[in-house]
Amino acid sequence: QQQVKQSPQSLIVQKGGISIINCAYENTAFDYFPWYQQFPGKGPALLIAIRPDVSEKKEGRFTISFNKSAKQFSLHIMDSQPGDSATYFCAARGDRGSTLGRLYFGRGTQLTVWP
Amino acid sequence: GAVVSQHPSWVICKSGTSVKIECRSLDFQATTMFWYRQFPKQSLMLMATSNEGSKATYEQGVEKDKFLINHASLTLSTLTVTSAHPEDSSFYICSAARYAYEQYFGPGTRLTVT
Repeated sequence: QQQVKQSPQSLIVQKGGISIINCAYENTAFDYFPWYQQFPGKGPALLIAIRPDVSEKKEGRFTISFNKSAKQFSLHIMDSQPGDSATYFCAARGDRGSTLGRLYFGRGTQLTVWP
Repeated sequence: GAVVSQHPSWVICKSGTSVKIECRSLDFQATTMFWYRQFPKQSLMLMATSNEGSKATYEQGVEKDKFLINHASLTLSTLTVTSAHPEDSSFYICSAARYAYEQYFGPGTRLTVT
């Protein structure tokens, strides 16, 4: 059972455009929602994260929008650049028993930004 | 800050041998570390959660006798793949939790079993 559903699976955006990746979850016990960026052959890097008591968080060109009632959150990359081409994973932090702190990941979105 | 290292970055071993992968948090103490496995073009699959000084908690379907995890200190966790077989070939990634929420990943270890 996929705890966090991510879409689209792949995304192609022109340089300067806006990239939007969406995620949805069911478990209302999730209390922290990070986004990770991963380049081929590398480990994921924490990009930006949000807590459920905030509806939006912006860091540079990256913005997370969070809709608690809809149980959805999204990543917006403004002015997308070829260097942003990578795989992006959304995640949600669990808060139960022995798996305290574990992250549940979406399946990932392969972003390609054309110059 | 928040740097996590892994060693080795890649390893090739023969079938039946054991391989140890180290994960270190370089500039912070991590009470909890996580080990993941990732297949090409797939998401991260959590293998186990490791707390300093206690036994690791393995995810369902992960053989604890095959994937031995030791969390010896607040900055070091090791994963030992015992009696490795070609199907164990994969990309193994560790992460370390700083504070209660932030989780930082290592660069990964590419294991190839021949």
